[in-house]
Amino acid sequence: ETGVTQSPTHLIKTRGQQVTLRCSSQSGHNTVSWYQQALGQGPQFIFQYYREEENGRGNFPPRFSGLQFPNYSSELNVNALELDDSALYLCASTRDRIIYNEQFFGPGTRLTVL
Amino acid sequence: DQQVKQNSPSLSVQEGRISILNCDYTNSMFDYFLWYKKYPAEGPTFLISISSIKDKNEDGRFTVFLNKSAKHLSLHIVPSQPGDSAVYFCAASASRGSSNTGKLIFGQGTTLQVKP
Repeated sequence: ETGVTQSPTHLIKTRGQQVTLRCSSQSGHNTVSWYQQALGQGPQFIFQYYREEENGRGNFPPRFSGLQFPNYSSELNVNALELDDSALYLCASTRDRIIYNEQFFGPGTRLTVL
Repeated sequence: DQQVKQNSPSLSVQEGRISILNCDYTNSMFDYFLWYKKYPAEGPTFLISISSIKDKNEDGRFTVFLNKSAKHLSLHIVPSQPGDSAVYFCAASASRGSSNTGKLIFGQGTTLQVKP
């Protein structure tokens, strides 16, 4: 059973560019959540996908968008990058979006915006 | 609006002693609480959880206490080991309600250092 994987590990972009981050969920998991962790802060919920549909969104602007594919892997897209988007982006997978099921986190993608 | 707060950024304890990490929350809709541990260059890993119908949950060296009236929870690690040195995050979730359901709200984290 493979765990949650994310790619790339690190990424450097400039302001105004667009970025796509990828997440492969753990085997058997159909729910993926994305979190942004700024330096010195806890992870902040961006959105969640359940069976290819968005199932809840945090306080992030529309330039943060996502997708979930039939194999339950997911992408996070960020348009018009800003300096404050520099952070660690974490994805977590779980079964059936139930909060009592453990969420398994990937190692994250470190995004730096210059 | 910080709904989950960990007011101690860091904690240092001696190996073998007790570590107590604290967490406060403001949203009365939260009914499920979790602790995660995070090592550098790794994602958070689940440690222990507690439902609001309980006031204590124990798993080996780890015990979480919940005081609903004070909106406070704490994680006790006994005995502490050097391998426990990590960042600990408290998180909360709501099984009902429109704004929090399905997502985890994290505190800022507490860095625990256990000295040999």
